[in-house]
Amino acid sequence: AQTVTQSQPEMSVQEAETVTLSCTYDTSESDYYLFWYKQPPSRQMILVIRQEAYKQQNATENRFSVNFQKAAKSFSLKISDSQLGDAAMYFCAYRYSNFGNEKLTFGTGTRLTIIP
Amino acid sequence: GAGVSQTPSNKVTEKGKYVELRCDPISGHTALYWYRQSLGQGPEFLIYFQGTGAADDSGLPNDRFFAVRPEGSVSTLKIQRTERGDSAVYLCASSLTAGGGNTIYFGEGSWLTVV
Repeated sequence: AQTVTQSQPEMSVQEAETVTLSCTYDTSESDYYLFWYKQPPSRQMILVIRQEAYKQQNATENRFSVNFQKAAKSFSLKISDSQLGDAAMYFCAYRYSNFGNEKLTFGTGTRLTIIP
Repeated sequence: GAGVSQTPSNKVTEKGKYVELRCDPISGHTALYWYRQSLGQGPEFLIYFQGTGAADDSGLPNDRFFAVRPEGSVSTLKIQRTERGDSAVYLCASSLTAGGGNTIYFGEGSWLTVV
């Protein structure tokens, strides 16, 4: 079974600085997707960034980028120029790429605080 | 609708009662998912629908939990004989179709408290 581990329950960063959130996962599959979701107090899970395992290039979305290390099964999220609106719970998630196996497996989350 | 809509937003019920939670997915989305998020945890998969049929219900914890999607749009999660351990946020999500490359959009959840 796949597992996702986020070892940082809480992180804080000064506004405008850069912060990196860690995630490791365990799988025996070679084809899969990895995600970072943001959950503000509204409870809605919002997709931040997605990485396909077969792509060597790290995904980037504006101020958000990942460091995907497939052999190490590591998938960290870097937030540059942190803004107050980035404060939220961040969840790393795994999804097998095979059609029909639709389950997202989440980590336990990292609470990110932005210090003004 | 513009996003995934869930009702009620909050529900307090007594132990042993029956509860229904409703999910209205994004229009045109054929895949629908239910997750449960306990306090301090990440969401856990419950069930997935492709169209009207439950394609994977392996995450339902026991036979007190049941979900339907009779017309391939709105879905209802039904919990019988509620227990205090059922207290959690129940998240619904939808995607255009199944497949790992499709973006899954979540609603704001229904916060269930069993007293």
